[in-house]
Amino acid sequence: DTHMTQSPPTLSASVGDRVTVACRASQTIGTYLAWYQQKPGRAPKLLIYKASALEGGVPSRFSGSGSGTDFTLTISSLQPDDFGTYYCQQYNSHPLTFGGGTKVEIK
Amino acid sequence: QLQLQESGPGLVKPSETLSLTCTVSGGSISSDSYYWGWIRQPPGKRLEWIGSVYYSGSAYYNPSLKSRVSMSVDTSKNEFSLKLSSVTAADTAVYYCARLVAAAGLGLGRGDHWGQGTLVTVSS
Repeated sequence: DTHMTQSPPTLSASVGDRVTVACRASQTIGTYLAWYQQKPGRAPKLLIYKASALEGGVPSRFSGSGSGTDFTLTISSLQPDDFGTYYCQQYNSHPLTFGGGTKVEIK
Repeated sequence: QLQLQESGPGLVKPSETLSLTCTVSGGSISSDSYYWGWIRQPPGKRLEWIGSVYYSGSAYYNPSLKSRVSMSVDTSKNEFSLKLSSVTAADTAVYYCARLVAAAGLGLGRGDHWGQGTLVTVSS
């Protein structure tokens, strides 16, 4: 299995801050990586796919980068609605696997 | 607008079979561009992929659950189903169905549409 490790587990930032979440795969996955946002009691929402492609309707302040084993999700200017837990997911090989999540809190 | 809705019992007894159905509306399940998946999330834990099924009926399962999982598709009803046998308390989770955009290989993809999720508790 490809194990996905995210850091940090939690982060607290102010509105307007630039926020970065990291995701590392235990083996190379090319660019078959997706990022999701999940709010309490809700289903995950797709933000980024193919490591850097923005899903339709997602604000442009979200961006993704990386390839191989190291990936980054960046929120260029944190907004109040951006609270929640962010997950990365690899879809390069079976089984599909998710990171442990990064909880983003607004100061 | 594509919508997915899970349905099934919220309480299952240990050693019994968990059965859930996902009804798809606003789009056809019979598309060669997508897989239809089940993902679960135990309380306070990370998301876990259970398996994916194609409209033809071909299914791909997580090896950790493969001996207990069965997935099927009913194209006439535009729905797909999950069965998980011999459940224990460790199977207590919110179960999501999702549409996976096909990529990389069989059964693999990103989840672009998800159901709201349904909590299944395993308890006597």
